[in-house]
Amino acid sequence: AQSVSQHNHHVILSEAASLELGCNYSYGGTVNLFWYVQYPGQHLQLLLKYFSGDPLVKGIKGFEAEFIKSKFSFNLRKPSVQWSDTAEYFCAVTAYYGNNRLAFGKGNQVVVIP
Amino acid sequence: DTGVSQDPRHKITKRGQNVTFRCDPISEHNRLYWYRQTLGQGPEFLTYFQNEAQLEKSRLLSDRFSAERPKGSFSTLEIQRTEQGDSAMYLCASSGDRENYEQYFGPGTRLTVT
Repeated sequence: AQSVSQHNHHVILSEAASLELGCNYSYGGTVNLFWYVQYPGQHLQLLLKYFSGDPLVKGIKGFEAEFIKSKFSFNLRKPSVQWSDTAEYFCAVTAYYGNNRLAFGKGNQVVVIP
Repeated sequence: DTGVSQDPRHKITKRGQNVTFRCDPISEHNRLYWYRQTLGQGPEFLTYFQNEAQLEKSRLLSDRFSAERPKGSFSTLEIQRTEQGDSAMYLCASSGDRENYEQYFGPGTRLTVT
């Protein structure tokens, strides 16, 4: 079964600072990778996804993530955060073949101070 | 509204009572998933339907839990003889009937067992 590790569960940043959230997964086969975001009071939304091809993927709101297969990692980045990026961020993985059930990490609570 | 909807949004019940939650997926989606999320954790997979067939159940889904998806449309999740440990957010997600399709999440049902 797949498992996902996210570190630094609580992150506090000032506006315009850069953000990087780490994600490591454990699975021996081919995977699909996702970052989901949950803004305060809202439901989970897809931020970006990697299925195949270019390992550097760009998502909404200026976020990007890089898949490094050798490190089993899929780190999320944003060069300059805004107050509106305050949210909880979840990394998730599914096995490439199967029922697509998502295995989530514990999440990163990110607070951006104006 | 073309999103995933869940009802009720909040449920408070006394220990030992039965509760039932409903999920209406995006209309053209054949796949439906239930997840559970507790405080400080990412969502955990509970069960998966493809059309009306329940194809996978997590070991988290004890005998007190049952899920159905009659006619392959909406789904219900019932918890019998609720326990305080059942208190959580119950999330529903749906996706298209192909591998790699992303899952769209509903707002969740927050269950509190007193």
